[in-house]
Amino acid sequence: KAGVTQTPRYLIKTRGQQVTLSCSPISGHRSVSWYQQTPGQGLQFLFEYFSETQRNKGNFPGRFSGRQFSNSRSEMNVSTLELGDSALYLCASSLGQGGSLHFGNGTRLTVT
Amino acid sequence: QQQVKQSPQSLIVQKGGISIINCAYENTAFDYFPWYQQFPGKGPALLIAIRPDVSEKKEGRFTISFNKSAKQFSLHIMDSQPGDSATYFCAASMNNNDMRFGAGTRLTVKP
Repeated sequence: KAGVTQTPRYLIKTRGQQVTLSCSPISGHRSVSWYQQTPGQGLQFLFEYFSETQRNKGNFPGRFSGRQFSNSRSEMNVSTLELGDSALYLCASSLGQGGSLHFGNGTRLTVT
Repeated sequence: QQQVKQSPQSLIVQKGGISIINCAYENTAFDYFPWYQQFPGKGPALLIAIRPDVSEKKEGRFTISFNKSAKQFSLHIMDSQPGDSATYFCAASMNNNDMRFGAGTRLTVKP
């Protein structure tokens, strides 16, 4: 069974631009969560989608948004990028609420 | 807000020794406590998890000890190997995917 796939692996953007990250969950998994990982703040929850609906949201500004498609694939968008948005963005999928999280290898975003 | 506190920040153990990482949580509503292992350039991988109705869970060389009254849980790695060198994260959640992670422990196992 293929794992969680995130694209692209690396991304370099300029302040003020926007970016879209993509995540394909494990086949059969209907829940997709997004996390931001930085050396200073560690792993922080962004949001979770289940059956195309956002079920939970972390404490991030509205510049961070996401969506989930009918095939469970998910995208995350960050608008008006700031230098502090430089991080590893991780996607995790699970069967449903409370299930074990399976992480992808992340997208490394660098904002210059 | 840090709801899960993890220690130590880094740990050096000799091959064959026991590695112990500790975590403490605040929210008594948490009901799922996993440990994740992360290698450089990779995402975290689930190692072992426990629910609060059990005080200990063992899978191979990895054991979780859980103390509900103290709101603490720990990971023990027996017979530590150089291949165990990685960053370990404890986490807690309330039966949803809003997982709260500890700050991580960088484990180095010396040959």
